[in-house]
Amino acid sequence: QKEVEQDPGPLSVPEGAIVSLNCTYSNSAFQYFMWYRQYSRKGPELLMYTYSSGNKEDGRFTAQVDKSSKYISLFIRDSQPSDSATYLCAMSEGGSYIPTFGRGTSLIVHP
Amino acid sequence: DTAVSQTPKYLVTQMGNDKSIKCEQNLGHDTMYWYKQDSKKFLKIMFSYNNKELIINETVPNRFSPKSPDKAHLNLHINSLELGDSAVYFCATSLRGQETQYFGPGTRLLVL
Repeated sequence: QKEVEQDPGPLSVPEGAIVSLNCTYSNSAFQYFMWYRQYSRKGPELLMYTYSSGNKEDGRFTAQVDKSSKYISLFIRDSQPSDSATYLCAMSEGGSYIPTFGRGTSLIVHP
Repeated sequence: DTAVSQTPKYLVTQMGNDKSIKCEQNLGHDTMYWYKQDSKKFLKIMFSYNNKELIINETVPNRFSPKSPDKAHLNLHINSLELGDSAVYFCATSLRGQETQYFGPGTRLLVL
């Protein structure tokens, strides 16, 4: 079993839909959780960053961490075609540990 | 002004050749990384370099060697290129103690 599992998709939704992207993990020592967005032929860019459990909201994006279930989510409200990209989750134990990435979920928002 | 830049953007070469990819950052970060992203989009860490301390991922063949001439640069040299080396290589940077990373635009390597 990989340390971080993420469904590669693609996930296709109509414009305006609420999107839910998820990752599960096995390492209970993970404390830092990140979501990166990667447009086609570009490098990943940081979207959201959370520490430990709970929710964090930034505009149309909400990151949620449930450490008891080892499950993290990214919600996108009022999705736009410009949100079409691959979303990668990443998590880290902190300190000198390098984050472990999920394989990414491809999201397509069609007009 | 680009924060993390890589050269070249595209690299097409023959099997057996030796090639280098360069990375430069102007963020003042002290830690730099090389990642390999395969055709299935899986992002795998290859190396981490912090203040002249190199952390090697043991799954990386020794044909790959990173070199850091200074804190703003981390280059990747690949000897005896193989077909399986074809991938997108990303450079990334961070501040030690911070979990978030800043990625370059990637170098698309195709080995024929």
